[in-house]
Amino acid sequence: EAQVTQNPRYLITVTGKKLTVTCSQNMNHEYMSWYRQDPGLGLRQIYYSMNVEVTDKGDVPEGYKVSRKEKRNFPLILESPSPNQTSLYFCASSPASFLVHWFFGPGTRLTVL
Amino acid sequence: AQSVTQLDSQVPVFEEAPVELRCNYSSSVSVYLFWYVQYPNQGLQLLLKYLSGSTLVKGINGFEAEFNKSQTSFHLRKPSVHISDTAEYFCAVSENSGYALNFGKGTSLLVTP
Repeated sequence: EAQVTQNPRYLITVTGKKLTVTCSQNMNHEYMSWYRQDPGLGLRQIYYSMNVEVTDKGDVPEGYKVSRKEKRNFPLILESPSPNQTSLYFCASSPASFLVHWFFGPGTRLTVL
Repeated sequence: AQSVTQLDSQVPVFEEAPVELRCNYSSSVSVYLFWYVQYPNQGLQLLLKYLSGSTLVKGINGFEAEFNKSQTSFHLRKPSVHISDTAEYFCAVSENSGYALNFGKGTSLLVTP
């Protein structure tokens, strides 16, 4: 089944404890992206990647890192999480064509205490 | 720069009534327009998209949207809603690049008996 998977789905952590949210897609898509969803703000793009080793900042990159060492994986790294990063995070992937829409993962709900 | 405005944050409607969810965008170049739906505790899935051609676009679950270039709008409609249509709906716009999908803040559709 073609899909985008994220792990973990739920995570509660404390301020300053490094964490990684994994994202993987099995559709051989070139583009991948991370969004955060907050009430009243919709979805905002954190980082995106156009291919292996090619990443760029979205609208809200502060406090996040990403890497794209393999085409299928695009992990999101929070080196020192803070409470304002408590949010619902979505990973998405898309073929390298704007004629096709983005496929979204199921989401990761992160709480930073 | 592109932006998306969803004019209603919440839309309550009775079952079997028609509904329109409004979306306006601003952009200095040609755009591609999307509506995504997010059911409770799930990720986003594509309802429909406008890339070019006919301005009336039909999507899944009986939804349709009309692209109006002069009014820079892309309103979503359904002639008769069901309880199962209760969800969050997001309008999104992408410019030629394709890898930057800019979302509106979402409209919560609540269908009651």
